[in-house]
Amino acid sequence: GQSLEQPSEVTAVEGAIVQINCTYQTSGFYGLSWYQQHDGGAPTFLSYNALDGLEETGRFSSFLSRSDSYGYLLLQELQMKDSASYFCAALYNFNKFYFGSGTKLNVKP
Amino acid sequence: DTEVTQTPKHLVMGMTNKKSLKCEQHMGHRAMYWYKQKAKKPPELMFVYSYEKLSINESVPSRFSPECPNSSLLNLHLHALQPEDSALYLCASSPDEGGSSYEQYFGPGTRLTVT
Repeated sequence: GQSLEQPSEVTAVEGAIVQINCTYQTSGFYGLSWYQQHDGGAPTFLSYNALDGLEETGRFSSFLSRSDSYGYLLLQELQMKDSASYFCAALYNFNKFYFGSGTKLNVKP
Repeated sequence: DTEVTQTPKHLVMGMTNKKSLKCEQHMGHRAMYWYKQKAKKPPELMFVYSYEKLSINESVPSRFSPECPNSSLLNLHLHALQPEDSALYLCASSPDEGGSSYEQYFGPGTRLTVT
């Protein structure tokens, strides 16, 4: 499968802004998604970028730069409930989704 | 209905047993997926069905056998598993309509333990 790189862990305080980066391989790449997964839960879809630029969905925004093979998820006004693992997932040919290594976000009061 | 359901929630099986995992969605999605997830690791793609046909098998051992009886159902048949196959097995679906395949809906998963 394809390799996607993310930082393993990020810590921030309530109300802060945090950015989680993701780099991916370009061969056959269609677009980049982001998923949130709480301990013991299933991944839930947050955002998707097919084109370069910023997509905003409430407190969450996602960015893609195809020329840099890079994207990020931006979380604003952090809340305690945002403590979870965040995965980037790249879509390749034939509906192949490959997930990044995951970033554990710890939000502290 | 935006839900993907999976049964059973938990399964304990011996290495000589045969069991099946079931997944169902009623969103009209035409792509369905099986993933395996070990603790503190990302989901790993196993199989992709597109329009009820197997389109991707990510070199999964033959002791895992997928089946798509119709557009709403996906099964994963298990036989002669190994302890290292113990994991959370996630089913997902997506619309698979040109540009709208990007969002996957995941079921809650089946927690499998092989003894």
